Amino acid sequence: KAGVTQTPRYLIKTRGQQVTLSCSPISGHRSVSWYQQTPGQGLQFLFEYFSETQRNKGNFPGRFSGRQFSNSRSEMNVSTLELGDSALYLCASSSRGQTKGEQFFGPGTRLTVL
Amino acid sequence: DQQVKQNSPSLSVQEGRISILNCDYTNSMFDYFLWYKKYPAEGPTFLISISSIKDKNEDGRFTVFLNKSAKHLSLHIVPSQPGDSAVYFCAASDPSNNNDMRFGAGTRLTVKP
Repeated sequence: KAGVTQTPRYLIKTRGQQVTLSCSPISGHRSVSWYQQTPGQGLQFLFEYFSETQRNKGNFPGRFSGRQFSNSRSEMNVSTLELGDSALYLCASSSRGQTKGEQFFGPGTRLTVL
Repeated sequence: DQQVKQNSPSLSVQEGRISILNCDYTNSMFDYFLWYKKYPAEGPTFLISISSIKDKNEDGRFTVFLNKSAKHLSLHIVPSQPGDSAVYFCAASDPSNNNDMRFGAGTRLTVKP
């Protein structure tokens, strides 16, 4: 099976702009989660989508939003970018519905806000 | 709120010795715990997990110990190898919240030859 893919891998934006990141999960996986990784903060949970519905949401402002399509692909959008949004954004897919299971991560999108 | 904490940002050990990475949690609803390893420029990869009904799970050189009363888990790597040098994240799953997964801040392990 192909792994989780994320596009683009690198992105440079300026303050005030908006950005859309894309994630394609492993085939058959219906759960997609997004995380923000910054030095010293580890992986901060953004949100999880399952079958096109947002199932969980972390403590991020409303500028961060996402969606999932019928083919389980997911996008994450950040509007009105701030310097502090510079981070590695990781997407993870899982086959779990209400059961537990490990997540499979993509390589991430490195976002730099200037 | 940091429900999963890894208080040691870094750890350095000699090749062949034991590496012990620690993780504490505050949410008593967590019932499934995982360790992930992350190399630079790659996403984290799953390493080992443990259910709250167990106190130990072993997979080759990797063993995870869980102390529920102390809300503490640890990952033991023995013997440590230079290829184990990476950032290690512990994670916990909350069944009362759709198995929401929470991660610690990570510990950077360096194994010196």
